[in-house]
Amino acid sequence: QKEVEQDPGPLSVPEGAIVSLNCTYSNSAFQYFMWYRQYSRKGPELLMYTYSSGNKEDGRFTAQVDKSSKYISLFIRDSQPSDSATYLCAMGQGGSEKLVFGKGTKLTVNP
Amino acid sequence: DGGITQSPKYLFRKEGQNVTLSCEQNLNHDAMYWYRQDPGQGLRLIYYSQIVNDFQKGDIAEGYSVSREKKESFPLTVTSAQKNPTAFYLCASSPTGHSYEQYFGPGTRLTVT
Repeated sequence: QKEVEQDPGPLSVPEGAIVSLNCTYSNSAFQYFMWYRQYSRKGPELLMYTYSSGNKEDGRFTAQVDKSSKYISLFIRDSQPSDSATYLCAMGQGGSEKLVFGKGTKLTVNP
Repeated sequence: DGGITQSPKYLFRKEGQNVTLSCEQNLNHDAMYWYRQDPGQGLRLIYYSQIVNDFQKGDIAEGYSVSREKKESFPLTVTSAQKNPTAFYLCASSPTGHSYEQYFGPGTRLTVT
């Protein structure tokens, strides 16, 4: 079983839709959970990070962590064409500099 | 303007040649990282450095070398021993102890023929 699994998509939605992006993981030692957005041929951009279980909201973005199910989600409300990108989840343990990344989900928001 | 710069954006080399990719940051971060990204694969860690003059191997260090002589700079050399060097290379940095807060550069696309 891979440490982090992420459905590659592609995912195509109409403008204004609510988008749900997800990752599952197997390592119960992960404590930090991150979401990155990567536009084509660019470096990833850190969107949000959360520690432990719960929700965190930032504008139209909500990150959710369920440690009991080893499942994390990123919700995008009122999606815009500018949200079209690949979204990467990443996870890390306390005391370690290493992060484990998912393969990314490609999202297209159609006007 | 604070950030991470990588140069060049595109790099072409012949097989058998070593090539060095540049990474510079002015964020005053202690930790720096090199990743490789291939189509359909997640980011894979090549090397990382938590402090000047010290660095550790990541998951795929074979065929690569690094140096960390200055806090701001962390160049990566792709040697002729790397079997599949064509890839998108990403440099990142983070504050010490905050590996969850990594900031990435724009990347260098290396093509070896």
